[in-house]
Amino acid sequence: DVKVTQSSRYLVKRTGEKVFLECVQDMDHENMFWYRQDPGLGLRLIYFSYDVKMKEKGDIPEGYSVSREKKERFSLILESASTNQTSMYLCASSSRRYEQYFGPGTRLTVT
Amino acid sequence: GIQVEQSPPDLILQEGANSTLRCNFSDSVNNLQWFHQNPWGQLINLFYIPSGTKQNGRLSATTVATERYSLLYISSSQTTDSGVYFCAVESGNQFYFGTGTSLTVIP
Repeated sequence: DVKVTQSSRYLVKRTGEKVFLECVQDMDHENMFWYRQDPGLGLRLIYFSYDVKMKEKGDIPEGYSVSREKKERFSLILESASTNQTSMYLCASSSRRYEQYFGPGTRLTVT
Repeated sequence: GIQVEQSPPDLILQEGANSTLRCNFSDSVNNLQWFHQNPWGQLINLFYIPSGTKQNGRLSATTVATERYSLLYISSSQTTDSGVYFCAVESGNQFYFGTGTSLTVIP
């Protein structure tokens, strides 16, 4: 079974803090993705990565950066958290052109 | 990007009833997936179905890629089917999600 894990289920941070969200997959998948989910807006892609050290912007990259130093790990970084980044963050992985598998999500609250 | 529309947005069913959820997409796609998001937020893969028909127990799905839609059928619904159902399409290595159908199954 594919397993995608995320570092925290719930996180509370203050405005201006630097926030790291980590995602690890155990299936040697090439592709990894970060989404945020907000009520009424569905899932929106923030960044994705095809391979180690590769990254591509999704629909809403502003205010975020990513890091992929190892194939199994994909990190999402909020350089200076703001209240409008309060959201559910979902990580996913996939082999090329095949189905995505999701982690359990991280509910981030920025106060 | 590709527009993905799901209907209906909300659905309430009596336990045991059948339902059909629809996903329309605006352009040609390579892949299509259906997910169920449980009350804890976990997205669970239901079907990977770029074309054709698949069945898994009480659930089945059909994608007609040439007409740019997919259908998810739920038969003999159970309370554990409650949650949000998403379809997602892949094009150019990006995945685009619909806004989901929220299903509530009442005992």
